This record gives sequence, C-alpha cells and structure tokens, in this order.
Amino acid sequence: SQKIEQNSEALNIQEGKTATLTCNYTNYSPAYLQWYRQDPGRGPVFLLLIRENEKEKRKERLKVTFDTTLKQSLFHITASQPADSATYLCALDSPGSSASKIIFGSGTRLSIRP
Amino acid sequence: DTAVSQTPKYLVTQMGNDKSIKCEQNLGHDTMYWYKQDSKKFLKIMFSYNNKELIINETVPNRFSPKSPDKAHLNLHINSLELGDSAVYFCASSQEGLVGGELFFGEGSRLTVL
Repeated sequence: SQKIEQNSEALNIQEGKTATLTCNYTNYSPAYLQWYRQDPGRGPVFLLLIRENEKEKRKERLKVTFDTTLKQSLFHITASQPADSATYLCALDSPGSSASKIIFGSGTRLSIRP
Repeated sequence: DTAVSQTPKYLVTQMGNDKSIKCEQNLGHDTMYWYKQDSKKFLKIMFSYNNKELIINETVPNRFSPKSPDKAHLNLHINSLELGDSAVYFCASSQEGLVGGELFFGEGSRLTVL
C-alpha cells in the first residue's frame, strides 16, 4: 500500500540556519506533492505545491524539491526564525483516480531556537 | 471571515453517547472532507464529498455518518462513541477539478470520550 514517511519526528536548529525536512514515499506515483504547516491547536495551512515535472519550487524563504527517481521531497526554510517553529506535513495525491484523495505524512516538528 | 468553520471546538462526552460536529465553508468549493488526527498527529482521511455526493469512504466504522445538506456544509455524526474515537477531527475543503488543489482546513474539533 502507499506509504509516506517524514524521516524526522522532530528537528531542532539554531535561528538563522537552514532547516531541511525530508519526505519519502513508496508504492506510489504522485503527480504532485504539497507541504503544509500546522501550529498547535490549529488546522494545517497550505504552503507549497510541486508537480512531478518540476524539480524545484520557491516561495520567499521556502524551497521544495521533488525527486521522482528517489521518491523524495526536501523542504527547506532558509534564514530560519523562531516563528517558523511548527509541525510541517507533506501530502501526496494521485489525480486520475475517480476521487481526489490527499494522503499526509506524520509530520516533522521543527523547533528554531534563538 | 472564516473560510472553513467547524463547531464545536471541544467536545467531551461519555462512551456510548452520540455526538455531531458541524462544518461550513464559504469558499464556494465543490469538495469537502473529514480528516481524523490521532494522538500521534497522523492525519487520516475519513470521507470526501463532492457537491453533496459521497466520493471517498475510507473504511470508517458505520458508527460514523457524514451528511452534506448542501455543498457548503458537511456534518459528521458519530453513534455509540468509543474511547478510540478520541481525536481531533478536521473538516477541509478544496476546489474540485483543480489539479493539485490545496486543502483549506478548519480549526479542528477535539473530541474526548471518557
């Protein structure tokens, strides 16, 4: 069955450094991948989408890569700030089926220390 | 203006009771979802409705019954609550037909079954 893994349950880094989060998937051929941010007690908020034919996507301090050969996406936050502390979720969908179904990884809790 | 709103935010009840969670979206989206997030923060899709029609039912017990009176509303009714039903339930919506369409989540309804 389809499986999504976010390798680190938690990641702690120093403010100003680049945070890199990993999302791997198996038994799956997604046409695109999404990243969400979730703060405690809140619902996930969409950040970025990258399609299978795109290698890299950027939005302000965020960068996402998508390697369909390795079946992996990397999510980078450059010049990290304490306000970036949150749980980050990757999500995959396979359009082409009769229904749109987005499946989430278990998330990585990122902590940025001042 | 809250895009996806769900009520109640907190729900504490005894085993065996029946409860409902309501969800409304004002984004004009065609598709609405219910997700369950357990104590390990893993988000699992439960149901998906498109224009009031059920399109995804992810092997959820029959005690869970979604109802969509119109495309802006998707309610979740749970009968005979069990301890294992304790979780945060998220409602979400997206625009059908938009490949890679992001999900917009509500703030979640934390259900505690005693």
